[in-house]
Amino acid sequence: DAKTTQPPSMDCAEGRAANLPCNHSTISGNEYVYWYRQIHSQGPQYIIHGLKNNETNEMASLIITEDRKSSTLILPHATLRDTAVYYCIVRVAYRDDKIIFGKGTRLHILP
Amino acid sequence: DTGVSQDPRHKITKRGQNVTFRCDPISEHNRLYWYRQTLGQGPEFLTYFQNEAQLEKSRLLSDRFSAERPKGSFSTLEIQRTEQGDSAMYLCASSPTEAGEQYFGPGTRLTVT
Repeated sequence: DAKTTQPPSMDCAEGRAANLPCNHSTISGNEYVYWYRQIHSQGPQYIIHGLKNNETNEMASLIITEDRKSSTLILPHATLRDTAVYYCIVRVAYRDDKIIFGKGTRLHILP
Repeated sequence: DTGVSQDPRHKITKRGQNVTFRCDPISEHNRLYWYRQTLGQGPEFLTYFQNEAQLEKSRLLSDRFSAERPKGSFSTLEIQRTEQGDSAMYLCASSPTEAGEQYFGPGTRLTVT
């Protein structure tokens, strides 16, 4: 079973920052937080991952709370192309191989 | 780098028929994964290979399912005696390292009538 809890859906206005929350209260010390997204009729796409420090790349920022029990994925300037299902996953990097997906959050970007 | 490719993209078959799907991973990725996704659900792990060795199989992979990866390059997933419950999107992913980021293909959508 997935070890994360996400809201089933969210709306965000185009051009605004989209903040997607994820709870992972049972995360272990050696587990990373990964985010993937799946645009309709496509395979999942890797976005970002982190252990305990905040991370940023060209797609998004990942903010992990100090106790590591929750995190937030931030899309700084959402566009219509960001409409997708976003999956938050915890896994032990460099040991776990399979990804266990939950149902994710369906993000709607509103024009 | 052309990404992970899957063939066919869509397959409609009658119940009881056999089907085979192909996945071509990103070159030099030694890990290859198969997942299945039904409507409204996240992808579910089926099996994975490191080079030509099949290292793990999910209990979802019944004896009607078989996967191969000869020579450690492309992989095939065969479903024998298809059932309506097999209707789903079958996703393939590859990874260059143990538990590194996985890169997914576009999937093969199977419809069993």
